[in-house]
Amino acid sequence: SQQGEEDPQALSIQEGENATMNCSYKTSINNLQWYRQNSGRGLVHLILIRSNEREKHSGRLRVTLDTSKKSSSLLITASRAADTASYFCATGNEETSGSRLTFGEGTQLTVNP
Amino acid sequence: GEEVAQTPKHLVRGEGQKAKLYCAPIKGHSYVFWYQQVLKNEFKFLISFQNENVFDETGMPKERFSAKCLPNSPCSLEIQATKLEDSAVYFCASSQVDLREPQHFGDGTRLSIL
Repeated sequence: SQQGEEDPQALSIQEGENATMNCSYKTSINNLQWYRQNSGRGLVHLILIRSNEREKHSGRLRVTLDTSKKSSSLLITASRAADTASYFCATGNEETSGSRLTFGEGTQLTVNP
Repeated sequence: GEEVAQTPKHLVRGEGQKAKLYCAPIKGHSYVFWYQQVLKNEFKFLISFQNENVFDETGMPKERFSAKCLPNSPCSLEIQATKLEDSAVYFCASSQVDLREPQHFGDGTRLSIL
């Protein structure tokens, strides 16, 4: 069963706006990762945040992690039409030494030009 | 190579036939993972390898699914006696020595069971 839940399931915004996606999980983790999937393609790794980190930035991406609430958020600033994709959070579990990733159900982001 | 290469891109099989999927991980990566994606969202972990050794197979439906990673050969995932519910996109990923590093995914093989 999926331990990750993401909201919203779908998000539609205008180019230039910010997009925020949230992810919750249930078990203890080593790290949390965000991936992007364009239609018909594989997952592209965006950013990894470790369990002892609270915030991380990469370009227009900002990820936060709150282990007390078992939640994470991904913020994309100044969105572009090319950001249209599905976004997934994935956790590495302490019990399995982080070997397998457990994915959320994803957020479909549409950025309208 | 610098990318995870999966073949074929699309595989069509009749129910009950065998299906075999291949994955060439990124050169130098020690870990290989297989995931199944059904209906464009849920990803299910199947199995992982550390070099040619099975590392974690707790996600594998063992009755019909098998996988190998042999030296100097692409890794493979084989499904015997396919069923309609096996229709999915199967993704392979690889990562470097540290399991906590990002996994790099191939573009997947779309398996259609008719």
